[in-house]
Amino acid sequence: GPKVLQIPSHQIIDMGQMVTLNCDPVSNHLYFYWYKQILGQQMEFLVNFYNGKVMEKSKLFKDQFSVERPDGSYFTLKIQPTALEDSAVYFCASSSGQGSTEVFFGKGTRLTVV
Amino acid sequence: TQTVSQSDAHVTVFEGDSVELRCNYSYGGSIYLSWYIQHHGHGLQFLLKYYSGNPVVQGVNGFEAEFSKSDSSFHLRKASVHWSDSAVYFCAVSPWTGGYKVVFGSGTRLLVSP
Repeated sequence: GPKVLQIPSHQIIDMGQMVTLNCDPVSNHLYFYWYKQILGQQMEFLVNFYNGKVMEKSKLFKDQFSVERPDGSYFTLKIQPTALEDSAVYFCASSSGQGSTEVFFGKGTRLTVV
Repeated sequence: TQTVSQSDAHVTVFEGDSVELRCNYSYGGSIYLSWYIQHHGHGLQFLLKYYSGNPVVQGVNGFEAEFSKSDSSFHLRKASVHWSDSAVYFCAVSPWTGGYKVVFGSGTRLLVSP
């Protein structure tokens, strides 16, 4: 079936450095999402993105966070600078947005900030 | 604001038992309701969805869910569980309009004992 690919699967980074998480969404999908999940806890919405713009973001989407998808390439989440509390698994998702709730999720990128 | 409540953080049953995982929601407008499963260390997998019509919807692997407008509920059921059903189950709501943001409940960890 359709797959959302996330690169890399694991990332370890020093606090204060910049990190970019990459997501290759399902082809022809129009809506893109990032979610944050701290180990064993709830899946928390960060942001959704459509037509080159952020549509909605949560309180967890701090000023240090940004998203973009230049020219149909990867949908990225950039954190600059990183903080210890940014350690989590970040899930990318995409959907067609055509009356379907089936949002397809990637396997996540485990980010560890040290 | 849409909210999703999963009252049971943990449910333990024996293989072959039936199980019901509860989900209640709060939202003023029209929404989609769905269930996702997350096996340990993996991303989310879609199970089923409801947005209109027959309130009982069938999903993969023998799961079904029933929508109740009066109770604001969307409980997930399975008649006979297998050990491989052990996972975390997330209920989710998504509004019909806008960016199709998916809001998840806190999840129910199902443990199926042999």
